Amino acid sequence: NAGVTQTPKFRVLKTGQSMTLLCAQDMNHEYMYWYRQDPGMGLRLIHYSVGEGTTAKGEVPDGYNVSRLKKQNFLLGLESAAPSQTSVYFCASSFRPGQGFDGYTFGSGTRLTVV
Amino acid sequence: KNQVEQSPQSLIILEGKNCTLQCNYTVSPFSNLRWYKQDTGRGPVSLTIMTFSENTKSNGRYTATLDADTKQSSLHITASQLSDSASYICVVSGGYGGSQGNLIFGKGTKLSVKP
Repeated sequence: NAGVTQTPKFRVLKTGQSMTLLCAQDMNHEYMYWYRQDPGMGLRLIHYSVGEGTTAKGEVPDGYNVSRLKKQNFLLGLESAAPSQTSVYFCASSFRPGQGFDGYTFGSGTRLTVV
Repeated sequence: KNQVEQSPQSLIILEGKNCTLQCNYTVSPFSNLRWYKQDTGRGPVSLTIMTFSENTKSNGRYTATLDADTKQSSLHITASQLSDSASYICVVSGGYGGSQGNLIFGKGTKLSVKP
């Protein structure tokens, strides 16, 4: 099992450019999440999905869009990148969280720099 | 407001020594508390997960404790190794999955183990 795979691992964008980050999981998890991690701050939830075809906003959704067309994939899009979106992005997936083991697993991250 | 506070922010210890990291939370309702290890440039990896009824859980040289009454947790590392150098993140799940699948993250404690 590969677990949670994120592509690309690194990217540099110019202000105003667009890009899509891809997250793929092979654990048959229903839930998928996108987080950003900035220095001195905990991980913050951008968007999440509780199943194929559904998405919802997290704590910091502005400037991002997501899609979950297939259960195993969760895409994070930046339509017009801004320097404030320079960050490390982590994807995660899980079974329904809350009670007991939910298999919450993180990818290895995408380091994005917007200049 | 749901919050997770960790202390200290950073810690330096000598190889072979023990250390204890602290986590206080104000999350309600409470479902479970997790400790993650995050190596530099990598995604967080789960160490332990404890529900309300559990007050201690071990994973090798890592032992987590939970006092749900005082809303405090600790992570004790025994006989530290150089490979223990990482950030340790306390994460609280604020209730049964439902419409919110996210976790509430502390900012982490950065541990450096020196030879």
